[in-house]
Amino acid sequence: QVQLQESGPGLVKPSETLSLTCSVSGASFTTSSWSWIRQPPGKGLEYIGYFYYSGSTNYNPSLRSRVTISVDTSKNQLSLKLSSVTAADTAVYYCARGRRYFDYWGQGTLVTVSS
Amino acid sequence: EIVLTQSPGTLSLSPGERATLSCRASQSVSSSYLAWYQQKPGQAPRLLIYDASSRATGIPDRFSGSGSGTDFTLTISRLEPEDFAVYYCQQYGGSPNSFGQGTKLEIK
Repeated sequence: QVQLQESGPGLVKPSETLSLTCSVSGASFTTSSWSWIRQPPGKGLEYIGYFYYSGSTNYNPSLRSRVTISVDTSKNQLSLKLSSVTAADTAVYYCARGRRYFDYWGQGTLVTVSS
Repeated sequence: EIVLTQSPGTLSLSPGERATLSCRASQSVSSSYLAWYQQKPGQAPRLLIYDASSRATGIPDRFSGSGSGTDFTLTISRLEPEDFAVYYCQQYGGSPNSFGQGTKLEIK
């Protein structure tokens, strides 16, 4: 059974870097692709980017200058870093399996950007 | 970026009725690379349909997807009480992936 679990600080100050981790179990971490998606409170879904098992990445152009997605295969973890955050980055952040459609999702973690 | 527009914004129906949700793309979605998700309050989205018409694992056959090019449809043949939720379409034929704004399916 594939399970994903996001973790990280729930509160980040403006201009700082948001850092989240997604722990994966029950799936081959090295033969799948893994994505981050976010959802501002009460709003729709926004694709952030993915890490492809070959080592390549793809980011939403609207966030590309601030986003880094990486993996630690020894720990079966996916990570997200988003720099220079503002209140507009307040959202529930999800990790999910896939780079096209997303068949398994974490439960999501709310990150609030506020001083 | 391909913009997806879902209609209607809210759909009010009763259990047992048929629901038809629409997703229109600003340009053709290559290879019918379109998915549908269901999201309930406080939960992560759940994949229902991928490649426009293929049901995901464990999804009841009352859910069906159709369409190609710029027009896609999710149909729920007979609504069950647990089907009332928000539904999103998502395209992955163009980069970046993008989602529609959602259709809320509510009990009438």
